[in-house]
Amino acid sequence: QVQLVQSGSELKRPGASVTVSCKASGYTFTKYALHWVRQAPGQGLEWMGWMNTDTGKPGYAQGFTGRLVFSLDTSVNTAYLQINGLEAEDTAVYYCAKYTAAGEALDSWGQGTLVTVSS
Amino acid sequence: DIQLTQSPSSLSSSVGDRVTITCRASQSISNNLNWYQVKPGKAPKFLISAALRVQLGVPSRFSASGSGTAFTLTISTLQPEDFATYYCQQSYSSPWTFGQGTKVE
Repeated sequence: QVQLVQSGSELKRPGASVTVSCKASGYTFTKYALHWVRQAPGQGLEWMGWMNTDTGKPGYAQGFTGRLVFSLDTSVNTAYLQINGLEAEDTAVYYCAKYTAAGEALDSWGQGTLVTVSS
Repeated sequence: DIQLTQSPSSLSSSVGDRVTITCRASQSISNNLNWYQVKPGKAPKFLISAALRVQLGVPSRFSASGSGTAFTLTISTLQPEDFATYYCQQSYSSPWTFGQGTKVE
């Protein structure tokens, strides 16, 4: 079955960088895009962008341009989210999610990675 | 960006109730509307695609309808495991956006 397993919680200082990994299994990794979504404490879901796992081309939501880097290692079926210049407002649970063309939706989600930004 | 507005923001309900959540889009999004269920500490669960397609494994008490700018999610007979927050999400245009959520409590 499809599984997306994310890396563990992180505590970072403001201004630092963080990398979250998302390891996929149970399907052909390069066949479906991976999206990144975050949820700040007490807030709703926020779409951050997506990664074409076939071409390696990323697409970033406008509010994040310049601070986000999506990357892949297809040899280990893993996607990465890097956030640079962390701010307290980046404290959130970060999810990776697999795209499905059937309805253009996100049909499988990772368990989430809590990133806490605090001095 | 397309704004999605859900109503109500929260809903006090009891087991056995019929629950209806509305999602309105700021412009027409055809049927490019999906629904997710989120419980604290758990990954979101994909419920409905393309405005009305209930996903495999989702109980038949869940249904959805709508197109254009107005959409609804209905739980016909609320069960204890249905207490959660529900989000609509549009994939009509980038950036994808979510509604603010409806907490069923």
